Amino acid sequence: SQQGEEDPQALSIQEGENATMNCSYKTSINNLQWYRQNSGRGLVHLILIRSNEREKHSGRLRVTLDTSKKSSSLLITASRAADTASYFCATDTGTYKYIFGTGTRLKVLA
Amino acid sequence: GAGVSQSPSNKVTEKGKDVELRCDPISGHTALYWYRQSLGQGLEFLIYFQGNSAPDKSGLPSDRFSAERTGGSVSTLTIQRTQQEDSAVYLCASSFRLDYNEQFFGPGTRLTVL
Repeated sequence: SQQGEEDPQALSIQEGENATMNCSYKTSINNLQWYRQNSGRGLVHLILIRSNEREKHSGRLRVTLDTSKKSSSLLITASRAADTASYFCATDTGTYKYIFGTGTRLKVLA
Repeated sequence: GAGVSQSPSNKVTEKGKDVELRCDPISGHTALYWYRQSLGQGLEFLIYFQGNSAPDKSGLPSDRFSAERTGGSVSTLTIQRTQQEDSAVYLCASSFRLDYNEQFFGPGTRLTVL
């Protein structure tokens, strides 16, 4: 089964609202990354959080990591229509065999 | 180069035929990865290269799959005797080095096996 599982599988919000998606994983990790995939730009790296970090910010993105619960969350604030995409978490267990989750499909309505 | 490129962008083949997928990583990137993404699914890790070496091939789905990288640059993923379940988008990514975690993805090759 997938190392990473995102929830919800799909999320629909209005422009300007915040979007939160979660990722759970099974084994110890070195770091966790979030990627965005849309038809226009393919897969794009968003942010990386290391196992010794608890929170990280990048622009409108906020990522948290709880290694005790083996979970991470991605918050997108003040969402825009251009944020419509699928979001994946990817974990690195130190073997360089990155494991991607199943993704959250986000739709931001204008 | 400006980004990771992959060719062909689309490939339709008949069951039983061999296919070769190509990946051109970003110039100077020593690490290269192959993934497979089935419709509506996440990415399935296949193999990674550090330079021309692939230390772990356990992610390849079967012995019909092989990959090589030459000159520390271009990589080819070969699927022999294709099956319908091989239909997917095959994605290649590169990074500056193996422990530099940001991966830059190519646009993918959509493989359809009839």
